[in-house]
Amino acid sequence: QQQVKQSPQSLIVQKGGISIINCAYENTAFDYFPWYQQFPGKGPALLIAIRPDVSEKKEGRFTISFNKSAKQFSLHIMDSQPGDSATYFCAASMDSGNTPLVFGKGTRLSVIA
Amino acid sequence: SAVISQKPSRDICQRGTSLTIQCQVDSQVTMMFWYRQQPGQSLTLIATANQGSEATYESGFVIDKFPISRPNLTFSTLTVSNMSPEDSSIYLCSVSGNTDTQYFGPGTRLTVL
Repeated sequence: QQQVKQSPQSLIVQKGGISIINCAYENTAFDYFPWYQQFPGKGPALLIAIRPDVSEKKEGRFTISFNKSAKQFSLHIMDSQPGDSATYFCAASMDSGNTPLVFGKGTRLSVIA
Repeated sequence: SAVISQKPSRDICQRGTSLTIQCQVDSQVTMMFWYRQQPGQSLTLIATANQGSEATYESGFVIDKFPISRPNLTFSTLTVSNMSPEDSSIYLCSVSGNTDTQYFGPGTRLTVL
C-alpha cells in the first residue's frame, strides 16, 4: 500500500513557467510534509517543508500548498529555471523528523529554455 | 544543518561478498536512518539505527542481511551481506537532531556483479 502518491511522474516546463507537483497521503497521523530535491549522483536535499497547521508556506520561488481535508499537498516552483531540473520527492512522517520518512515515487522535472 | 559523509562513495563488488558502509555526522544527532534507492526509484527505509540498542528493521529487511551498528551519536554503519545483483542500489543515511529536519548523506552507489 503506497502511503504517499505523487504525480506527475515526469514534467517538462518552459523556462520562466510554473512547475506544479502534487502529492496525496492516506495516513492522517502524518504531521510533517517535506519536499526533497535530488540531482543525479547526489543525496536528496531538503527544499521546503510544511506542517498541517498552515495552508501555505513560501520560500523564495518555492511554495507548498496544503489541503488537510483533502489530504493533499503540492509544490509550486515559480519562474522555473534550467537549474531546477532534478527529481523532486514529496514525503511525510509522524512526529516531525524523528520518525522515518515515507516518500512518494518522485517527479523528474526538466526545465527547457 | 548537519553535515553527513558516507564512505565509500561507490563500490563494485562480487556476488557473495559483503560491504560495510559508514555514515559520519559532524554533530550529535538523535535519530539515524538507512534508506535504499534502487536505480531510478524512490527511497525505501531499511532500518532505524538506534544508539545503544539493536536497529529497528522495516518489513522486508532483516538483520542477517543488513546488520547495522550505531556505537555513538555521530556514527553508524550498514553492512550489506552476501550480496547479489539485486542489492545494486544507492544506500543513503539520514539524520535528524533537535529540529524537524531530516538531512541526507551523499549516498553510496553499490554495484554487485
